Amino acid sequence: KAGVTQTPRYLIKTRGQQVTLSCSPISGHRSVSWYQQTPGQGLQFLFEYFSETQRNKGNFPGRFSGRQFSNSRSEMNVSTLELGDSALYLCASSLRPATNEKLFFGSGTQLSVL
Amino acid sequence: AQKITQTQPGMFVQEKEAVTLDCTYDTSDPSYGLFWYKQPSSGEMIFLIYQGSYDQQNATEGRYSLNFQKARKSANLVISASQLGDSAMYFCAMREGRNQFYFGTGTSLTVIP
Repeated sequence: KAGVTQTPRYLIKTRGQQVTLSCSPISGHRSVSWYQQTPGQGLQFLFEYFSETQRNKGNFPGRFSGRQFSNSRSEMNVSTLELGDSALYLCASSLRPATNEKLFFGSGTQLSVL
Repeated sequence: AQKITQTQPGMFVQEKEAVTLDCTYDTSDPSYGLFWYKQPSSGEMIFLIYQGSYDQQNATEGRYSLNFQKARKSANLVISASQLGDSAMYFCAMREGRNQFYFGTGTSLTVIP
């Protein structure tokens, strides 16, 4: 069974641009969540989707948005990029959003904003 | 208040020795799950072990065990017989009810030959 696939692996953008990151979950997984990871900050939760509905949202500005499609694939969009948005963006999937469901992570997209 | 606290930014352990990575959590929800993940330098997060709030026994997965002390709200990870490949960042995480996952800031473990 294929794992969680994130594309692209690396991305370089300039301030003010926008970017779209893609995540394909494990087959059969309907829950997808996104995290921003920066050195020393751990993983900061962005949002979670289940069956195309956003269930939870982290404390990020409105420039960060996402969506989930009917095939459970998810995209995350960041508009008007800032230098501070440089980070590793991780996507994770699970069968469903439950306390006993572990997350399966992708390899991440390393975003650099110049 | 932080939901997950990992107070050890960096740890060193001799190869073949055991090491304990600390994690405390904060929740008032009676139903929650606790997880540990490993992140090698390659960046991918690898699931290690899970403990449910209603589980009576401490979870074990091979060389990994979780020392679950519910009253103290601690969920320490114990790695026995450390190997060089255990050098990585380790994250403690919690999910309460159907809320989001909360992750700690991580502990960097270095195994010394």
